[in-house]
Amino acid sequence: GESVGLHLPTLSVQEGDNSIINCAYSNSASDYFIWYKQESGKGPQFIIDIRSNMDKRQGQRVTVLLNKTVKHLSLQIAATQPGDSAVYFCAENSDSWGKLQFGAGTQVVVTP
Amino acid sequence: NAGVTQTPKFQVLKTGQSMTLQCAQDMNHEYMSWYRQDPGMGLRLIHYSVGAGITDQGEVPNGYNVSRSTTEDFPLRLLSAAPSQTSVYFCASSFDRGNEQFFGPGTRLTVL
Repeated sequence: GESVGLHLPTLSVQEGDNSIINCAYSNSASDYFIWYKQESGKGPQFIIDIRSNMDKRQGQRVTVLLNKTVKHLSLQIAATQPGDSAVYFCAENSDSWGKLQFGAGTQVVVTP
Repeated sequence: NAGVTQTPKFQVLKTGQSMTLQCAQDMNHEYMSWYRQDPGMGLRLIHYSVGAGITDQGEVPNGYNVSRSTTEDFPLRLLSAAPSQTSVYFCASSFDRGNEQFFGPGTRLTVL
């Protein structure tokens, strides 16, 4: 989930298990949502996106679920691998100019 | 394609100095933006541009200037550096508003 302050929430997952990362967004008018992955020392990398006219979208090993009723977004990673260790950010676009609002991020640690 | 490139990778400034962070993209993207990322926090939008000659302020614009004379380049200028501007700066671009943003590798700036 989202954090307040300097300490990121951490999700510790055993290799091979499924991961679920949650995000609460703030604006009911948001119509586009993205999940990014950021490895240490690198820029954010696009994982998957979803528009507000959808509830679910699947990619390779990842699924994003959108619940507009409670303004909740989740990212599911199947068969989590060591390379999935990173900080994951959700972002929402509620602005006609395309500005993204980022959450604080969740640290995912994959253990052997 | 090189994607989004940023220079320099690292920079140390003294309080009061000025400098320009460079950002370029070769994907013919109209939309470009600058973010800063502080420890344990998500990305905050500084300035953005929806096309050559058009720029606007984001969430934290104070102390920064931008210009967009070409589609490819979007430099960020620090007018008089302050320790509060110590951060990692990311440039991003997208084909249009409301689309996936591609991020550069970042510039790590320290202001003493």
